[in-house]
Amino acid sequence: TQLLEQSPQFLSIQEGENLTVYCNSSSVFSSLQWYRQEPGEGPVLLVTVVTGGEVKKLKRLTFQFGDARKDSSLHITAAQPGDTGLYLCAPEPDSWGKFQFGAGTQVVVTP
Amino acid sequence: DAGVIQSPRHEVTEMGQEVTLRCKPISGHDYLFWYRQTMMRGLELLIYFNNNVPIDDSGMPEDRFSAKMPNASFSTLKIQPSEPRDSAVYFCASSLSSLTQYFGPGTRLLVL
Repeated sequence: TQLLEQSPQFLSIQEGENLTVYCNSSSVFSSLQWYRQEPGEGPVLLVTVVTGGEVKKLKRLTFQFGDARKDSSLHITAAQPGDTGLYLCAPEPDSWGKFQFGAGTQVVVTP
Repeated sequence: DAGVIQSPRHEVTEMGQEVTLRCKPISGHDYLFWYRQTMMRGLELLIYFNNNVPIDDSGMPEDRFSAKMPNASFSTLKIQPSEPRDSAVYFCASSLSSLTQYFGPGTRLLVL
């Protein structure tokens, strides 16, 4: 079982501020996915990173995969209330198709 | 496609009653996952199916929980008898060849 650590557990910021959340492991991943879960909904895939050192941008969200492919970060620039949600990371499924999610970072952006 | 469909969206029941949660995966998807989410334990995988066959049920809490997938378009998660500690949001998700997971809206279960 791969141990995933997401930090911080909770983050509350004002609209317009920047934030970074992290997903770390001692294991090497071939890929890693980030999901966002908005209040009252199920998680939705934001991005998949597959190459060590890769940086992907999704509007104000920047995702980075560590060079060693053991960690990843998500940076949000000028956060908006619509960014509020639980951010979950998940490595590629195992050979049986089993997914494992981190505990998530709860982000609250207040106007 | 309508996405993953779950029913009911909300369920309130009394301890000891049987609860059945239903899921219709996205058409053509070959994997189906059942998760439970609580504040304390986060998102836990309970069981998952590949081509209607259960692959791993090690996350099922105890014998009170059971899941079936009689065909490619329908799955149920049953709790009998239910207990207050089963109160949680239960998600169903489906995927194609174990790639991106598509989650349903969840069933919010409250056991009194």
